[in-house]
Amino acid sequence: ETGVTQSPTHLIKTRGQQVTLRCSSQSGHNTVSWYQQALGQGPQFIFQYYREEENGRGNFPPRFSGLQFPNYSSELNVNALELDDSALYLCASRDKRGGYNEQFFGPGTRLTVL
Amino acid sequence: DQQVKQNSPSLSVQEGRISILNCDYTNSMFDYFLWYKKYPAEGPTFLISISSIKDKNEDGRFTVFLNKSAKHLSLHIVPSQPGDSAVYFCAASNTGNQFYFGTGTSLTVIP
Repeated sequence: ETGVTQSPTHLIKTRGQQVTLRCSSQSGHNTVSWYQQALGQGPQFIFQYYREEENGRGNFPPRFSGLQFPNYSSELNVNALELDDSALYLCASRDKRGGYNEQFFGPGTRLTVL
Repeated sequence: DQQVKQNSPSLSVQEGRISILNCDYTNSMFDYFLWYKKYPAEGPTFLISISSIKDKNEDGRFTVFLNKSAKHLSLHIVPSQPGDSAVYFCAASNTGNQFYFGTGTSLTVIP
């Protein structure tokens, strides 16, 4: 059973560009959440996907968007990158029937915006 | 608006002693709380949780206490071990979909 994986590990972009981050959920998990962790801060909830539909969203602008695929893997897309978007982006997966103690995080993608 | 706060950025404890990590929250509607542990270059891993109907939950060396009237929870680690050195995040939820995390406390257990 593989855990949650994310790609790429690191990424450098310039302001105004667009970026796509990827997450493969743990086998059997149908719900994926994305978090942004800025330096010195805790993770902040961006949104959650369940059965390919957005199922909850935090306080992030529409230029943050996502997708979930039939195999439950997910993408996070960020358009018009800003310097403040520099952060560690974490995804977490779980089975919606399970408790949050069964939510597993990936290692994250470190995004740097110059 | 930071709804979950961890006011101690760091904590150092001698091996074998008790580590106490604190967390305060502002939203009285939160009904589920978790603690996560994070090592460098890894994602957070679940440690222990508590629902608002309880005031204590224990799992081995780890105990979480919840004081709803004070909107405060704490994580006790007894005895502390060097492998416990990590960043600890508390998190809270009232919907089951969105979790609010604190800023973390970096624990160092000194051998």
